[in-house]
Amino acid sequence: GESVGLHLPTLSVQEGDNSIINCAYSNSASDYFIWYKQESGKGPQFIIDIRSNMDKRQGQRVTVLLNKTVKHLSLQIAATQPGDSAVYFCAENPLSGSARQLTFGSGTQLTVLP
Amino acid sequence: NAGVTQTPKFRILKIGQSMTLQCAQDMNHNYMYWYRQDPGMGLKLIYYSVGAGITDKGEVPNGYNVSRSTTEDFPLRLELAAPSQTSVYFCASRFTSGPTPNEQFFGPGTRLTVL
Repeated sequence: GESVGLHLPTLSVQEGDNSIINCAYSNSASDYFIWYKQESGKGPQFIIDIRSNMDKRQGQRVTVLLNKTVKHLSLQIAATQPGDSAVYFCAENPLSGSARQLTFGSGTQLTVLP
Repeated sequence: NAGVTQTPKFRILKIGQSMTLQCAQDMNHNYMYWYRQDPGMGLKLIYYSVGAGITDKGEVPNGYNVSRSTTEDFPLRLELAAPSQTSVYFCASRFTSGPTPNEQFFGPGTRLTVL
């Protein structure tokens, strides 16, 4: 079936550098995408979302880019900090229903090096 | 607000036993969800509810049941536990009329092991 997948399972970056986490999706009908952060032993935490009619959205230190042509989503974290170390999931809403059922990718482990 | 709370935090079951995972939210959210997360994997939707008295199946509902008698509570029932149900279970809620209507708020999870 269609699913959301990630290019890299792990990513290590130096503190202060920018991080880019990538995600590929296969359902062209998906109209909504979310990035979640999950720290060890905790539930996922919302970071930022983007609708399919947008190609870029910025938050505090984070930017999400959406390329519908190649079905690619990325999360950019500026000036990565030790507290950013976590697993990052992208999720898509493949249905147009109001329940916003999300399909999650398998996650990327981000490690921030001192 | 306590947000989304889940009990218990940890549980070990024997094959064939039953249990109920509790989930409660005090934010008056209308939508609630149950997910499971296997090691190194993303979350898979088990069941969801769009309001009290309404529930529907997600991607992996087999072996589970839910009920939503109140807005606040959304318990997940496991009947005849199997080793394949060993996982971390997350409950989430969402308020469709709030400032971030698409954001799901997650609980801390319940780690279940079936031996």
